[in-house]
Amino acid sequence: AQSVTQPDIHITVSEGASLELRCNYSYGATPYLFWYVQSPGQGLQLLLKYFSGDTLVQGIKGFEAEFKRSQSSFNLRKPSVHWSDAAEYFCAVGLNNDMRFGAGTRLTVKP
Amino acid sequence: DAGVTQSPTHLIKTRGQQVTLRCSPKSGHDTVSWYQQALGQGPQFIFQYYEEEERQRGNFPDRFSGHQFPNYSSELNVNALLLGDSALYLCASSLPERGKTQYFGPGTRLLVL
Repeated sequence: AQSVTQPDIHITVSEGASLELRCNYSYGATPYLFWYVQSPGQGLQLLLKYFSGDTLVQGIKGFEAEFKRSQSSFNLRKPSVHWSDAAEYFCAVGLNNDMRFGAGTRLTVKP
Repeated sequence: DAGVTQSPTHLIKTRGQQVTLRCSPKSGHDTVSWYQQALGQGPQFIFQYYEEEERQRGNFPDRFSGHQFPNYSSELNVNALLLGDSALYLCASSLPERGKTQYFGPGTRLLVL
């Protein structure tokens, strides 16, 4: 079945530590891929997107993501997490006219 | 440059009532999509409007309907509200081509009692 999977429901990291959030998708063709962040009670903010070309994409707030076709993955990374990064992160796939979202990963940052 | 705006921010209704939510797209965008985000879940696609027509619909019942106006703003209507309709309703705007990035508004939180 077509799906977007974020295996980690909740991740806790210490401030200054590195971060990797996992995302796997199951669609026939290479879809358009996105990462969004959502702070409590807020809408979604686009962090970065992949359409084609270089498989390592840079986004806002120091985030990057790498597309791996062989693994159907689009993992989000940040070398050094800040307390303000605590939020919910959603991976999404852009299809024809809609987007399919994963269930999200909640990030907690320890001081 | 104004982003996507939604109104109201919060709403409380009772079962069986009807509700209308409103969305104004980002400047320059002519396509509006609506999503439902239940607590603890990712957003689920309801439908998309382009050129005042529903272009694509997700797996939602006919109680969910919409409209797009000539100025590209949009409304989401939900009839015969159920407790399970309680959620954050997100509007997103984009350009019409496939795969174009969707920009989200802050959402309307609906509570059905």
